[in-house]
Amino acid sequence: ETGVTQSPTHLIKTRGQQVTLRCSSQSGHNTVSWYQQALGQGPQFIFQYYREEENGRGNFPPRFSGLQFPNYSSELNVNALELDDSALYLCASSTRLAGGPDTQYFGPGTRLTVL
Amino acid sequence: ILNVEQSPQSLHVQEGDSTNFTCSFPSSNFYALHWYRWETAKSPEALFVMTLNGDEKKKGRISATLNTKEGYSYLYIKGSQPEDSATYLCASPPNQAGTALIFGKGTTLSVSS
Repeated sequence: ETGVTQSPTHLIKTRGQQVTLRCSSQSGHNTVSWYQQALGQGPQFIFQYYREEENGRGNFPPRFSGLQFPNYSSELNVNALELDDSALYLCASSTRLAGGPDTQYFGPGTRLTVL
Repeated sequence: ILNVEQSPQSLHVQEGDSTNFTCSFPSSNFYALHWYRWETAKSPEALFVMTLNGDEKKKGRISATLNTKEGYSYLYIKGSQPEDSATYLCASPPNQAGTALIFGKGTTLSVSS
């Protein structure tokens, strides 16, 4: 296992509600990335946090927001939930390597269902 | 916009068969290519990171090659076993900053005994 944990495992919400998903990164990692995987698709990049600052964002609306804490754990918040937000949400932790590509280590995901 | 494609979408083989699948990516502004294995109900597991044209990586019965000039990578599995059943994802960052990984849709491999 990667050492990256996510909570909760499953979540059911209704349209218009708000949700918070949590991720604990692997020890020693200072970067957390969030991805959304809809059915039949590959994971889609939402945003990344590096040392508590947002460090890149994909094509997701502002109602998707996040936080990274001093211990490098992270939250993904989604406001005004829509039916299309139903998906598996993955977080991945990594550490910046000078001059090299980062390997991102994934958690098992949170399955969000919006009714 | 970086587009990563994988083929085939799914594959079913018998135990002992060798198999391979393809990941295609734009050859311009290439930085790195990642392969992940994702078993049901588990976390995606990093298999390989490759950066150089002609790179070849191996982990047990699984190996991967990289051709950055023509924009493709092959993943090979020799003597497939039922435990190899998983979805295999490839991903590439759009730039050297490496903030995002752009994933393909994956190839789902099923190995029957």
